[in-house]
Amino acid sequence: NAGVTQTPKFRVLKTGQSMTLLCAQDMNHEYMYWYRQDPGMGLRLIHYSVGEGTTAKGEVPDGYNVSRLKKQNFLLGLESAAPSQTSVYFCASLAGGGLFYEQYFGPGTRLTVT
Amino acid sequence: KQEVTQIPAALSVPEGENLVLNCSFTDSAIYNLQWFRQDPGKGLTSLLLIQSSQREQTSGRLNASLDKSSGRSTLYIAASQPGDSATYLCAVRAIDQGGKLIFGQGTELSVKP
Repeated sequence: NAGVTQTPKFRVLKTGQSMTLLCAQDMNHEYMYWYRQDPGMGLRLIHYSVGEGTTAKGEVPDGYNVSRLKKQNFLLGLESAAPSQTSVYFCASLAGGGLFYEQYFGPGTRLTVT
Repeated sequence: KQEVTQIPAALSVPEGENLVLNCSFTDSAIYNLQWFRQDPGKGLTSLLLIQSSQREQTSGRLNASLDKSSGRSTLYIAASQPGDSATYLCAVRAIDQGGKLIFGQGTELSVKP
């Protein structure tokens, strides 16, 4: 049981390039989340999903898109990267009907946009 | 809108001390509160989850309390060790915000040998 995994661990992009971050969970969780963590700003929710085929905007969705084609995977896309998107990105998952359960986090992806 | 505050932002203690980390939140309409640990450059590890109907939870040397009416939680660490050095984050699952986790900024703990 690997829990929540994220790919890649590190990435450097040039301004304007695109990339996709992959999150995978093997706990059969319904809910999945993407956060970014910045110094002095704490953890902020980007997008989330309450089940396969669903997505919703979080607190800071601009410049990002997401897809949840399979229950176990949640993809975060940057279409045209900007230096302001330099951050550490965390994926998390939660069991369905799971508002009373623990939320599990992945190890993070450190992204630098130059 | 729910806001979560953790004070102090940083704490340094000698090894062996018992210590308390504080978390306060502005809206008592929560499902639960979760304490996490984050080591430098790593992800968040869940330490304790307290449901809104509970007063405390214990795991080993850790004890977390919850006073929903006053909007406060504390994380008590007994007999601290250098390996406890990390950033500790609390987060509340807010009823009025669709059950989203709302995080504090964290307390950076350093335990000196």
